[in-house]
Amino acid sequence: EVQLLESGGGLKQPGGSLRLSCAASGFIFNNYAMNWVRQAPGKGLEWVSGISGSGGGTYYSDLVKGRCTISRDNSKNTLFLQMDNLRAEDTAIYYCAKCIGTSGRRPIDFWGQGTLVTVSS
Amino acid sequence: QSALTQPASVSGSPGQSITISCTGTSSDVGAYNYVSWFQQHPGKAPKLMIYDVSDRPSGVSNRFSGSKSGNTASLTISGLQAEDEADYYCSSYTSSSNWVFGGGTKLTVL
Repeated sequence: EVQLLESGGGLKQPGGSLRLSCAASGFIFNNYAMNWVRQAPGKGLEWVSGISGSGGGTYYSDLVKGRCTISRDNSKNTLFLQMDNLRAEDTAIYYCAKCIGTSGRRPIDFWGQGTLVTVSS
Repeated sequence: QSALTQPASVSGSPGQSITISCTGTSSDVGAYNYVSWFQQHPGKAPKLMIYDVSDRPSGVSNRFSGSKSGNTASLTISGLQAEDEADYYCSSYTSSSNWVFGGGTKLTVL
């Protein structure tokens, strides 16, 4: 059974940083690209970043480019998202999502339950 | 990258069919057959319903179907059931090697 368990959310200070983790199980982790998608309270889905199965390809939304780093540790089946210079508009549920294949072009087929990040002083 | 355009809401009665549109540009929906549709019930994670325009993952009812013409993709749900009431989001791969989502459509089953 595929499982994705996000952690690292919580209350963050404006201008501060966050590091989210996503522990994956139930599939061969390095065979699949992964993404982070966020959803502000009461709003729609917004793609944040993606990474290929090998980790050699990384992709970012224009909204977070320069502030975000996506990475993965295939030996530990874990996906990460580092985001700096946090703003109030970064407040959202952050979902870890698995893709159908190893390429960043393949769509998401499974989502974690998400971790809530609140940016506020 | 601008969000794809979806109607804010659609509604239908049990047993009826409804269609949700998703309009993009020649740089996303029109450029690739990489359109997906997700269903999201309140407080839950999204669920993949359609991928690659018209393919259904195993376990998804064949009442759900997808299509595309030019820069507009569509999701059709036939034989509406109460459990179909949810928010639906389309997404597309883009020429910038990114993904973009639609703003979401709230489906109400009357």
